[in-house]
Amino acid sequence: EAGVAQSPRYKIIEKRQSVAFWCNPISGHATLYWYQQILGQGPKLLIQFQNNGVVDDSQLPKDRFSAERLKGVDSTLKIQPAKLEDSAVYLCASSLGAVTEAFFGQGTRLTVV
Amino acid sequence: AQSVTQLGSHVSVSEGALVLLRCNYSSSVPPYLFWYVQYPNQGLQLLLKYTSAATLVKGINGFEAEFKKSETSFHLTKPSAHMSDAAEYFCAVSEGAQKLVFGQGTRLTINP
Repeated sequence: EAGVAQSPRYKIIEKRQSVAFWCNPISGHATLYWYQQILGQGPKLLIQFQNNGVVDDSQLPKDRFSAERLKGVDSTLKIQPAKLEDSAVYLCASSLGAVTEAFFGQGTRLTVV
Repeated sequence: AQSVTQLGSHVSVSEGALVLLRCNYSSSVPPYLFWYVQYPNQGLQLLLKYTSAATLVKGINGFEAEFKKSETSFHLTKPSAHMSDAAEYFCAVSEGAQKLVFGQGTRLTINP
């Protein structure tokens, strides 16, 4: 079965620019997550979708970050405007539902200069 | 809210030696616990999970972990380390609706 696909793999932008990341989860997976992993730290959940509804976005900096999951499949995470501290790897994961394994994509490494 | 503490940000062992990576959790309800491995420039891969069945959980690549409720621990072990085990390991806890909360990670180095 195909895994979680993310693009791009790498992105370098200047501060105050905008950027978008794309995620295609495993087919049939209802739950989709976006995590931010800063160098040397564990992944931090930004937002969790169940189908196309938001389950948890308590740690999403809503003044600059936004995410959507159209039709309960693909998802896009956007940052506008970017700050230096947004430099991190952004991981997308999906799962069938509660208490099941989350499968991770390879991530997008964002560098803000 | 649930949380995870991984003791030791860096563990170094010799090839063939025992691997022990420590994880303690905090949860207000019976938790689900996970160990993930991350190789350089890769996403996270599940090693094993505890979901309230057997307290000793066996995973891939010869790893296993034991859930100890009294100690709120879920330590990861492997009897004999291999060079290919060098990676970053993350312990994670979930309460119900699978909001995975990760620890800070432990980097495992294997010495020849």
